[in-house]
Formats: sequence, structure tokens, C-alpha cells
Amino acid sequence: DIQMTQSPSSVSASVGDTVTITCRASQGIRYWLAWYQQKPGKAPELLISAASSLQSGVPSRFSGSGSGTDFTLTISSLQPEDFATYYCQQAASFPYTFGQGTKLEIK
Amino acid sequence: QVQLVESGGGVVQPGTSLRLSCAASGFSFSSYGMHWVRQAPGKGLEWVAVIRYDGITTYYADSVKGRFTVSRDTSKKTLYLQMNSLRGDDTAVYFCARDRDMVPTNYFDYWGQGTLVTVSS
Repeated sequence: DIQMTQSPSSVSASVGDTVTITCRASQGIRYWLAWYQQKPGKAPELLISAASSLQSGVPSRFSGSGSGTDFTLTISSLQPEDFATYYCQQAASFPYTFGQGTKLEIK
Repeated sequence: QVQLVESGGGVVQPGTSLRLSCAASGFSFSSYGMHWVRQAPGKGLEWVAVIRYDGITTYYADSVKGRFTVSRDTSKKTLYLQMNSLRGDDTAVYFCARDRDMVPTNYFDYWGQGTLVTVSS
């Protein structure tokens, strides 16, 4: 199985800050990576697929990059509604594994 | 609009069975692969199973292989997860999710609200 490792596990930031979350795959997955946002008690929402393709309706302050084994999610100019938990997920081969999550908290 | 609504969760004893359903609407159900993803209380996301649009091709996580069966009824626009020999570590919220494209991408663009399965004696 492909292991997905996110860092950091949690991060504190203020409204208006820029935050970067990283995700590393245990083997190369080319660009087969997605990012999801999950708020407490809710289902995850797809933000980015194919490493850098923004899902329709997702604000442009979210961006993704990377390929192979190393990927990043960057959130610019943080808004109050962005404080949530973020997961990466590899879609290259089953089982389609997720990272352990990164909790973004208000400082 | 796309809508996925799960049902069938509840409290069951170890070793018993349960069937989850996911009613789909707002899109061509027969054209998309469908997945089950679960989340144990306070934990991260775990992909469980997928059934492709053809209703025949399926894949499972090792943790559920041989115990869970995913199926779909196109006429009812409903996805199912038959869970047998349930164990305590199957306790989780179970989400159904749609594959993003008609060609399999294994990205999940629409999710249901989830249904809680608790396995406890």
C-alpha cells in the first residue's frame, strides 16, 4: 500500500496568513493526488485534484502543487471559514489511501 | 443537484451483519463509479471499497476484504454496502462518495452526510 504522510499534524494561524501543508507519498504517484477539507461533523469536500486542479467553486486562495512523491497545499489570505482539517489522498492505485490529516486552528 | 443520502447505520453486536444504503439523485448514477469511505470516531479517513460504473468491477481495502460487499442497483439509483462479521474496529461513520468523472479518477467529488455504525456488545 502507498503510505501518505502529512505535515504538520496541526498548525495555528491567523486570518490573513498564508499556510502550507505538505504531503509525501511512500512511492511515486505522478500527479494522482487530491486535497480535501473537512469541518467537524461534516463530510469532506474536494478542493483540488490531479495535484493542482482546483475544483469548481473552490476559492482561488487554495492552490496545490507537486508531483511524484512530494505535494503541497497552500492557502493564502486565510479566511475564518478555512479553519478545518485537511487531508491528502492518493488516487494512483488502490487502496486509495489518505494522509492522517492536518488540523488548521485559529491562533 | 447531486445528492447522496446514506442510511442503515446503527448499533450492532460483534459478529453480526448490517447493510448500508446510499440513495443517489441529480446525476446519471449508472455512469459513475461509487465509493465507500469511513471515519472512526476522532480519526482520519479510510477508503473502504469502490464499484465501477459497470456494477461488476469492485475493489476493497484489505481490512474489509472477504467481509464487506459493495453493490449497486441502477434502477433504484442506490449503492449498497453489505457488512458481515462486524468487528469493533469497524465502528465508524460511513460515507458514500461519487467518483469525480465518468472515467475512473478515484477522486471523490460528492459525498453523503454519513451514517454511523457502532459495533459493540
